[in-house]
Amino acid sequence: DVKVTQSSRYLVKRTGEKVFLECVQDMDHENMFWYRQDPGLGLRLIYFSYDVKMKEKGDIPEGYSVSREKKERFSLILESASTNQTSMYLCASSPLRTGKPYEQYFGPGTRLTVT
Amino acid sequence: QKEVEQDPGPLSVPEGAIVSLNCTYSNSAFQYFMWYRQYSRKGPELLMYTYSSGNKEDGRFTAQVDKSSKYISLFIRDSQPSDSATYLCAMSGATDSWGKLQFGAGTQVVVTP
Repeated sequence: DVKVTQSSRYLVKRTGEKVFLECVQDMDHENMFWYRQDPGLGLRLIYFSYDVKMKEKGDIPEGYSVSREKKERFSLILESASTNQTSMYLCASSPLRTGKPYEQYFGPGTRLTVT
Repeated sequence: QKEVEQDPGPLSVPEGAIVSLNCTYSNSAFQYFMWYRQYSRKGPELLMYTYSSGNKEDGRFTAQVDKSSKYISLFIRDSQPSDSATYLCAMSGATDSWGKLQFGAGTQVVVTP
């Protein structure tokens, strides 16, 4: 059974802190994604990775960085958290070799509050 | 203007009714069209997946794509309270091999017993 896990369901951080969000998938998928979800805006892509140590900017990368040292793990880093980064963060993965890279599998999300 | 537009709702229907959801889009390069369902406090899960134009049926769910109008729909027949969720449309272009999706804002559906 497909599984994507995220390190925390809820997180509260202070302005200026460095924040790490971890995502692990057990499906041997090549692609991994980080989104944020805000009311009325839907899911917006922050970064994605199509291979180990490879990354590409999404639509809203400012204020974020990512790391992918192993195929199964994709980390999102908020270098200096700000209140406008309060949001639901969703990780997803998708296969490349099956020809359906559009079939994304999502984790349960991390609700981050920055105070 | 967003590439994908979706009415956020909420859409409230009685049990047994047909739920009709839709999205419009502006990018004519989109070839893959998906519907995801998201229950409260959960991540989205893929519900339906369609390539190019036409209809696709899966049990109580029917997805329609009209590329000439840049309009996609999802119909849920014989709706159940367990169908109460947020439904997100998503789409992608054929040339985008990395699987990047553009999502709509999501429509909240409430099916009342």
